[in-house]
Amino acid sequence: DQQVKQNSPSLSVQEGRISILNCDYTNSMFDYFLWYKKYPAEGPTFLISISSIKDKNEDGRFTVFLNKSAKHLSLHIVPSQPGDSAVYFCAASAYGNTGKLIFGQGTTLQVKP
Amino acid sequence: KAGVTQTPRYLIKTRGQQVTLSCSPISGHRSVSWYQQTPGQGLQFLFEYFSETQRNKGNFPGRFSGRQFSNSRSEMNVSTLELGDSALYLCASSLTSGSAEQFFGPGTRLTVL
Repeated sequence: DQQVKQNSPSLSVQEGRISILNCDYTNSMFDYFLWYKKYPAEGPTFLISISSIKDKNEDGRFTVFLNKSAKHLSLHIVPSQPGDSAVYFCAASAYGNTGKLIFGQGTTLQVKP
Repeated sequence: KAGVTQTPRYLIKTRGQQVTLSCSPISGHRSVSWYQQTPGQGLQFLFEYFSETQRNKGNFPGRFSGRQFSNSRSEMNVSTLELGDSALYLCASSLTSGSAEQFFGPGTRLTVL
């Protein structure tokens, strides 16, 4: 039962353009969502998070949007840079269960110069 | 501040053996979670420890166990290794058990032959 889904295994964008990575979830108990970036042979690096009481959170080039009614979140990277090329995972946790992150399968982003 | 460290980074074992992996969290972090990453299943939660107590457990057989010491360092143990246990084992730390933002180590790559 895949509670967190990233339906696009890969995404390719041109440098300077916007990258939009999507994530859907099924468990209505999830109340905190995170995005991680992962390079090969390294652990995931925390990027940005959002609580269910918000619908948007910004940090520099990264913005996460949350649509609770649609159980959908997205990560926008503007402008995209070649160094952003990596695998991006969205993750979710439920209230009272914050130590347990449920991850999506990941989306490989390639930013072309 | 030093990040999460995991030892060893690489390990090769044979079926039936047991293995112990170690994780040192970020200084001041008291919660440690463990995850298994495989190509087929993605990142899956194993367990979480806080104040030397297991707070949460994922859907893994009893061959997988862990513990946490008073200095917050954690170990996980896998007994009677199977080929399917070959994976990247990731440790993540967070400030408290109620903090969803987890910071990952580089992982231990376990290969079972």
